[in-house]
Amino acid sequence: AQSVTQLDSHVSVSEGTPVLLRCNYSSSYSPSLFWYVQHPNKGLQLLLKYTSAATLVKGINGFEAEFKKSETSFHLTKPSAHMSDAAEYFCVVSDLDNYGQNFVFGPGTRLSVLP
Amino acid sequence: DAGVTQSPTHLIKTRGQQVTLRCSPKSGHDTVSWYQQALGQGPQFIFQYYEEEERQRGNFPDRFSGHQFPNYSSELNVNALLLGDSALYLCASSLVGYSTEAFFGQGTRLTVV
Repeated sequence: AQSVTQLDSHVSVSEGTPVLLRCNYSSSYSPSLFWYVQHPNKGLQLLLKYTSAATLVKGINGFEAEFKKSETSFHLTKPSAHMSDAAEYFCVVSDLDNYGQNFVFGPGTRLSVLP
Repeated sequence: DAGVTQSPTHLIKTRGQQVTLRCSPKSGHDTVSWYQQALGQGPQFIFQYYEEEERQRGNFPDRFSGHQFPNYSSELNVNALLLGDSALYLCASSLVGYSTEAFFGQGTRLTVV
């Protein structure tokens, strides 16, 4: 069975400093991994995805993540935080079956950005 | 190109009532999945529909049922509502057999009183 652990429920950074949101996964197969962002009262927006191509994945808004199979990790980073990055971030693991994606979400990490 | 649309956006129901939520997938997508997101938690998978049949189901009781129509749109029905069913219900659409992301709607906020 798949599962996702997000090691921090809340991360607080100052504007202009680096962001690190940690994610570890468990999957029996070769997984696809995603990071989604959810702003207050909004739906989920895809930041980036890993689907067995390059292990360093670049996403939107300057975010990137590195897939490390040996560590079963997929941490999300950004060199310089912006106030607009404040939101809830979800790490997601998925196996592809005959009918498409079967997503398992982590519990989320709330990112606060201080001025 | 419209993305995933859900209706209604907000809903208030009384305990014991029944509710129907609706979802139109992104153009070209044929698979619809439903998720429940309780306050402060990550979305939990309810079920997935493809070719008008339920293909996968998460750990939700039979009070949760669904339907997919020939135009790929979908409904989520919840019977005998409980206070604990209060949540944001998210619909996601995707294309069968492709290793790609799912597109999510804005969700329906259901409050059971």
